[in-house]
Amino acid sequence: GNSVTQMEGPVTLSEEAFLTINCTYTATGYPSLFWYVQYPGEGLQLLLKATKADDKGSNKGFEATYRKETTSFHLEKGSVQVSDSAVYFCALSLLKAAGNKLTFGGGTRVLVKP
Amino acid sequence: DSGVTQTPKHLITATGQRVTLRCSPRSGDLSVYWYQQSLDQGLQFLIQYYNGEERAKGNILERFSAQQFPDLHSELNLSSLELGDSALYFCASSVAAQGSGYTFGSGTRLTVV
Repeated sequence: GNSVTQMEGPVTLSEEAFLTINCTYTATGYPSLFWYVQYPGEGLQLLLKATKADDKGSNKGFEATYRKETTSFHLEKGSVQVSDSAVYFCALSLLKAAGNKLTFGGGTRVLVKP
Repeated sequence: DSGVTQTPKHLITATGQRVTLRCSPRSGDLSVYWYQQSLDQGLQFLIQYYNGEERAKGNILERFSAQQFPDLHSELNLSSLELGDSALYFCASSVAAQGSGYTFGSGTRLTVV
């Protein structure tokens, strides 16, 4: 089956530090890959996505590159801010006749301290 | 505002009771998905509807059921509630095309006491 594995948190950083959250996947087929972010007390928001190998998704200073050879989609940001404190979810989807279900990783909590 | 509306935002009820959670998808989206988020099990896919028909089923208990109405809003019915059903229930919608991603609502927090 399909699955997503991401590093467990919490990840605690100082402001302006470099952030990396590792994500690897297993899929039967050629999935689309996503990063979602969940701020405290809110729903999930799409952060970025990539739909084919070597695509780079980017948004709000975050980047992730679809690496088919390593089945990975690691999230990076060069200089984090306190406002980046949130839970980050890696996810994949495969469109099939049975639907377009998203499979999520377990989430990584990131805490950025001033 | 994501465009996906969930009501109510909070719900407190007793064990054994039944509740209904409501979701209105973003305008133009035909697919509705329900997810349960709990501390111990993370985000679990429950069920998907597309244009009124059930399209995919995940880890949904037999005590839970859902439907999507002609106006595309969806309801998730949870019955014979147990303490372990306490969780955040998210609805999401999409155009059901690969790569489109979802738009999530802000969730309904269910507390069973």
